Amino acid sequence: EAGVAQSPRYKIIEKRQSVAFWCNPISGHATLYWYQQILGQGPKLLIQFQNNGVVDDSQLPKDRFSAERLKGVDSTLKIQPAKLEDSAVYLCASSSYSGQQVSGNTIYFGEGSWLTVV
Amino acid sequence: QKEVEQNSGPLSVPEGAIASLNCTYSDRGSQSFFWYRQYSGKSPELIMSIYSNGDKEDGRFTAQLNKASQYVSLLIRDSQPSDSATYLCAVHGSSNTGKLIFGQGTTLQVKP
Repeated sequence: EAGVAQSPRYKIIEKRQSVAFWCNPISGHATLYWYQQILGQGPKLLIQFQNNGVVDDSQLPKDRFSAERLKGVDSTLKIQPAKLEDSAVYLCASSSYSGQQVSGNTIYFGEGSWLTVV
Repeated sequence: QKEVEQNSGPLSVPEGAIASLNCTYSDRGSQSFFWYRQYSGKSPELIMSIYSNGDKEDGRFTAQLNKASQYVSLLIRDSQPSDSATYLCAVHGSSNTGKLIFGQGTTLQVKP
């Protein structure tokens, strides 16, 4: 079974530029997550989709970050304009959770997209 | 108060010793608890999950859960240098949305 795919793996941009990250979850997984992990910190949830609807985007900086999940499969996370503090790893993850009991809901991570803003 | 708290470490143990990693959480209604291991430059990988009070063992790993104390721990027996990594505690909150909240992670160093 293929895992969570992300691209690009690495990106270096100048501040105020834009960047987009793509994620393809594990086949059949209804829930997709985008996490931001700054060096030395734990992952912070930016946005969670269930199918193509947003479940939680309370920590997404909506003035500069946007995300979509068209057709309930692939997802794109965009940052525009980027700031220096956006330098982080952007982790996409997916799970089979579909709104039922949470127990047993295992989340699987992609390899991450490393962003450096200079 | 952070939702999930861990001591950032580093925790240093000699090879062959028991490493004990601890985590507390604030949402009393939380139902599911996970330990992820993250090697430097890599993404988190699940090593243990626990849902009921008590102990759960898997090889050299034991997860312990005490919901009354809102406390989760991970014991690693016979620690190996290859266990050197950051260990992330993660909790599903009581909202039943599937949202997974992570602690800041504890860095473990196993010295040969």
